[in-house]
Amino acid sequence: EPEVTQTPSHQVTQMGQEVILRCVPISNHLYFYWYRQILGQKVEFLVSFYNNEISEKSEIFDDQFSVERPDGSNFTLKIRSTKLEDSAMYFCASGTGGWARSYEQYFGPGTRLTVT
Amino acid sequence: DAKTTQPNSMESNEEEPVHLPCNHSTISGTDYIHWYRQLPSQGPEYVIHGLTSNVNNRMASLAIAEDRKSSTLILHRATLRDAAVYYCILNYGGSQGNLIFGKGTKLSVKP
Repeated sequence: EPEVTQTPSHQVTQMGQEVILRCVPISNHLYFYWYRQILGQKVEFLVSFYNNEISEKSEIFDDQFSVERPDGSNFTLKIRSTKLEDSAMYFCASGTGGWARSYEQYFGPGTRLTVT
Repeated sequence: DAKTTQPNSMESNEEEPVHLPCNHSTISGTDYIHWYRQLPSQGPEYVIHGLTSNVNNRMASLAIAEDRKSSTLILHRATLRDAAVYYCILNYGGSQGNLIFGKGTKLSVKP
């Protein structure tokens, strides 16, 4: 069964450093998402991406964040200058899209980002 | 924005049915009702979705009230692997369907 994969599983970085989190969505999916979950808190939407551009983004997704689909398979989230409060589990998701709001999303296992 | 209300936690015995309720009294006519679950230390997992009619799949059943102001996720025979946080989500978060998660219901399954 196809699945979303994410690398690395755990990333430790120092405050102020740039990090890139990588995701390989399911191959025939057209919609891509990043979510994050701070330990013990809710899963929060960050950004959605379709047709090589950002479709929606939340207030969390500020100028320090960027997303890219550099080739036909990878989908990346870059944090330019990490802060302590960026420490969280980051989940990538993908979906086929569909009529209105009816489609389902498939999530990867997550990357745990620890900023020290 | 339409919101959902779920109990914080529920308990079930293994191999018994589980009914997880969700209230969404301000649902709009075009909102789909989605259920996701998150097993410990894993990413969210799609369970089921529906609009007006009851739905069944291999994982669960979704019963939607006639007025659509509430729904119930039914696990027909709970297993230990079903212990997770279950989220009821209305897909209103944007044209691309970004999911807005609440706190969900933490389901414990006792052997």
